[in-house]
Amino acid sequence: QVQLQESGPGLVKPSQTLSLTCTVSGGSISSGGYYWSWIRQHPGKGLEWIGYIYYSGSTYYNPSLKSRVTISVDTSKNQFSLKLSSVTAADTAVYYCARERLAGNWYFDLWGRGTLVTVSS
Amino acid sequence: AIWMTQSPSLLSASTGDRVTISCRMSQGISSYLAWYQQKPGKAPELLIYAASTLQSGVPSRFSGSGSGTDFTLTISCLQSEDFATYYCQQYYSFPRTFGGGTKVEIK
Repeated sequence: QVQLQESGPGLVKPSQTLSLTCTVSGGSISSGGYYWSWIRQHPGKGLEWIGYIYYSGSTYYNPSLKSRVTISVDTSKNQFSLKLSSVTAADTAVYYCARERLAGNWYFDLWGRGTLVTVSS
Repeated sequence: AIWMTQSPSLLSASTGDRVTISCRMSQGISSYLAWYQQKPGKAPELLIYAASTLQSGVPSRFSGSGSGTDFTLTISCLQSEDFATYYCQQYYSFPRTFGGGTKVEIK
């Protein structure tokens, strides 16, 4: 079955760029039919959608983060990645990659386990 | 963006209780609403989509209703494994948004 796994540094210094990768196993990103998304959760708080990428490379970002976010895809490695620039302590959160199903009803049907990223000097 | 008001934020209940969680939208979203369950240290899991369709494998004690701006998640007979936090999410438009969450705790 398809699984998602986030990876990347757990500690990032303020003003630097947060970089995470989500590896998709058990299925192909290139098969289509899904948006590949990033979602974050501040400690003890709710969920915030960051953006998505389609296997073709088309993207859509949350306007609240758009100026700092880049999501890319590497179909040869079956991975997609998140870059968030100029981070501050407010970007400390658990970051999830998730799959959004595109078939009449669009919802997040598969999530990674999440990875905690702390922004601190 | 579509804002979502979820209530209550905290719900104390006992095993066997019937509980109801509300989610209200800032604008109509037809039935483009999903509900998720999240346990501590885990990723959210899909319970319901299209406001009332149970995801495969989800127990029938969970049900969803509503359309437009007002939605409800009901757990008919609370089980021990149901103590968790629940989120609603709209997929009517971008950016996708989530409710603030409802923590269901043991009374």
